[in-house]
Formats: sequence, C-alpha cells, structure tokens
Amino acid sequence: DIQMTQSPSSLSASVGDRVTITCQASQDISNYLNWYQQKPGKAPKLLIYDASNLETGVPSRFSGSGSGTDFTFTISSLQPEDIATYYCQQYDNLQGLTFGGGTKVEIK
Amino acid sequence: QVQLQESGPGLVKPSETLSLTCAVSGYSISSGYYWGWIRQPPGKGLEWIGSIYHSGSTYYNPSLKSRVTISVDTSKNQFSLKLSSVTAADTAVYYCARTTEQHPTIDYWGQGTLVTVSS
Repeated sequence: DIQMTQSPSSLSASVGDRVTITCQASQDISNYLNWYQQKPGKAPKLLIYDASNLETGVPSRFSGSGSGTDFTFTISSLQPEDIATYYCQQYDNLQGLTFGGGTKVEIK
Repeated sequence: QVQLQESGPGLVKPSETLSLTCAVSGYSISSGYYWGWIRQPPGKGLEWIGSIYHSGSTYYNPSLKSRVTISVDTSKNQFSLKLSSVTAADTAVYYCARTTEQHPTIDYWGQGTLVTVSS
C-alpha cells in the first residue's frame, strides 16, 4: 500500500506570509498528486492537479510542485479567505484514491 | 455547469444498510468520467469509498469492499451507494463526486449529506 504523509497537521501564519505544506508518498507516484481546499461546512475544492497544474479559476498565489515521492503545496501570500483545511490526494491501482491527513491553516 | 446532489436518510440504525443517491445535472453520466463516493467522519479526514464508470465497472476501497455496492442508472442520470451492516463508525458526511478518467482527480463534488448511525 502507498502511504501518504502530509505535514504539518496544522499551522498558524500571518496575512501575507508564505505558507508551505508537504506531502510524502511511501513510493514513487510520478506526478499523480492533487491538492484540495476544504472550508468549514463545505465540500472540498480542487486547487492543483497532477502536482503542479492550477485548476481553472484558482488564484495564482496557490502553487504545487514535486514528483516521485515528495510534493509541496504553497500559498505565496496568505489571505484571510485561505483559512481552510488542505488535503493532498493520490491514486494507485490497488487502493484507489487516498488522501493525506490534512493541514488546517489558521491566521495568527 | 455540472452539479451533484446527494439524497437519502439522515439517520440509519446499526446493522442496517445505508442508501444514498446522487443526482447529476449539467452532464450526462453516459458521456464518461467516474462517479463515486467519499466520506468524512465528523472532525476527521476524507476517505474514498468507491467509484463507478458509466459502463457499470466498479472500483472500491479495499477496506470497505465487502460492504459497499455502487450502481448507476443512466436513464435517470444518477448513481447510488449502499453500505451494509453499518455501525457508529460509519457516521459521516457523505459526498458524491465526479472523477476524471486519467490520473483520477475529483473535479466536481456534491454539497455532502450527514448520515448518522444510531438506534
């Protein structure tokens, strides 16, 4: 089984700060890694697909990078509306879709 | 615009079967994509339950496979979830979703529906 380790589980940052979240796979998953944003009481929303591609309509302050086993999600300048929990997600033929544990982002 | 809407009982008794339906508008299920279910226990993370292709091919989370059935009704443009022998651990918000065929990515989600398992 491929294990996804997402860190940190929570973080607190100031408006305008650069925020970085990592997701590590236990084995090579190429670039099959997506990032979602979930605001309280809402369904998740796709932000980044295939590790680094910005979904249409998503602000450019969000970005993703990485391949193989190590991936990074970045908010270049944190805004108040970015308060949410962020999840990475990968796919493999045996387990199907699996999600990281989530990172809760709060304003300091 | 693609929209998905879950429906079904919000309360299910232990040992019974949870049944939910997802109505899709703005896109014909017969045209492609995978259609599936994801759940989220209160205060916890996301868990993929399974997906179905319009042809009827199904793919399930191995940890739930023995209890899950996902079916599709292309004439009504909807798909359904059945989860048998439920316990309190199955209490969660259940989301239906559309998943891309290559490099599976969930691009549309329903709003979610809370199902509580309790006597």
